Amino acid sequence: AQTVTQSQPEMSVQEAETVTLSCTYDTSESNYYLFWYKQPPSRQMILVIRQEAYKQQNATENRFSVNFQKAAKSFSLKISDSQLGDTAMYFCAFVATSGTYKYIFGTGTRLKVLA
Amino acid sequence: ETGVTQSPTHLIKTRGQQVTLRCSSQSGHNTVSWYQQALGQGPQFIFQYYREEENGRGNFPPRFSGLQFPNYSSELNVNALELDDSALYLCASTRRLAGGNRGEQYFGPGTRLTVT
Repeated sequence: AQTVTQSQPEMSVQEAETVTLSCTYDTSESNYYLFWYKQPPSRQMILVIRQEAYKQQNATENRFSVNFQKAAKSFSLKISDSQLGDTAMYFCAFVATSGTYKYIFGTGTRLKVLA
Repeated sequence: ETGVTQSPTHLIKTRGQQVTLRCSSQSGHNTVSWYQQALGQGPQFIFQYYREEENGRGNFPPRFSGLQFPNYSSELNVNALELDDSALYLCASTRRLAGGNRGEQYFGPGTRLTVT
């Protein structure tokens, strides 16, 4: 069975600074995707970034980038130039490409950006 | 292109009652998944529907059931509600292609269910 672990329940960062959120996962699957989702108080799950396991290059999306270490089963999210609007819960998610396409989520990290 | 919509937004029910939650998938998406998100937790997979049939189920009892309609919209039904069923229920849709490839899931805003 797959598991996703986020070991940082809460984090804070000053506006314009950089912060890194950690995620580790466990799986025996060889083909899978990893995601970071943002959930603001409005509850809407918003996709931040996606990484295909077969790609060695780390995904980047504007101020958001990941450090994907497949052998270590680590998938951290770096937010550069943090903005007040980045304040939210962040969830790491795993999905195997075979079988039922179900997401396995971590318990989340609450990020607060301070003015 | 319309996004995933869910209704109602909020719902309050009494223990033992039954509830139906609704979801309209994003245009072009044929697969719908339901997740339960308890307060302070990550979403937990309930089940998935593809072509109007259940296509996988998480660790939830049979009193959690669902339907998918020909237009790919979906319902989640919960019978004999318990206090622990209080949660945010999220619907997510994706497009499953003939070869089985699928993209990321797009989530709706959720239905907040409170059981008293």
